[in-house]
Amino acid sequence: SQQGEEDPQALSIQEGENATMNCSYKTSINNLQWYRQNSGRGLVHLILIRSNEREKHSGRLRVTLDTSKKSSSLLITASRAADTASYFCATDPIYNQGGKLIFGQGTELSVKP
Amino acid sequence: NAGVTQTPKFQVLKTGQSMTLQCAQDMNHNSMYWYRQDPGMGLRLIYYSASEGTTDKGEVPNGYNVSRLNKREFSLRLESAAPSQTSVYFCASSELGDLYEQYFGPGTRLTVT
Repeated sequence: SQQGEEDPQALSIQEGENATMNCSYKTSINNLQWYRQNSGRGLVHLILIRSNEREKHSGRLRVTLDTSKKSSSLLITASRAADTASYFCATDPIYNQGGKLIFGQGTELSVKP
Repeated sequence: NAGVTQTPKFQVLKTGQSMTLQCAQDMNHNSMYWYRQDPGMGLRLIYYSASEGTTDKGEVPNGYNVSRLNKREFSLRLESAAPSQTSVYFCASSELGDLYEQYFGPGTRLTVT
């Protein structure tokens, strides 16, 4: 079963615009992580937000977490063509052991120059 | 540091053939994972190894076996390949615990005809 559901499935924007992706999940979590995947490559970790945090920043990335709504959003500001990739949220449910993550289906972002 | 390496990069098998996917990491991580990625399905966990000497089933373990050979290496074996196992396979590693990101290999693209 998929813990994380992402929205939208695909997003197309112009360079310089902001991109927002959303993730909803079903069970209580220890943390939520966002990953990027360029076409044909492995996933790369972007940012981790703990369950007791509400917002986190890293460069042009801003992540929010609302545990009452079981949702998170990833905002990429001033997007660049190089940001074109698929973005996945991954949750670490409280019931899990061993640091296992459950990945969403991803949002495919296209940034047009 | 090579990070997480996987071999082979591509493989074509006939139904019923067997093969082993190799994974190695040089980051001294305790935990290692095998995922499969299918279009529109995100990543699904096949097996994981929380630490050397232990392995456990993930979400989709049927048709696969694993071996944690030592702390560095974690292999995935398909004993009798089926077309439903056509997928891209990713290995990942992380520190043991709730607050660590996973590091991914480049993937193995497997086609079973």
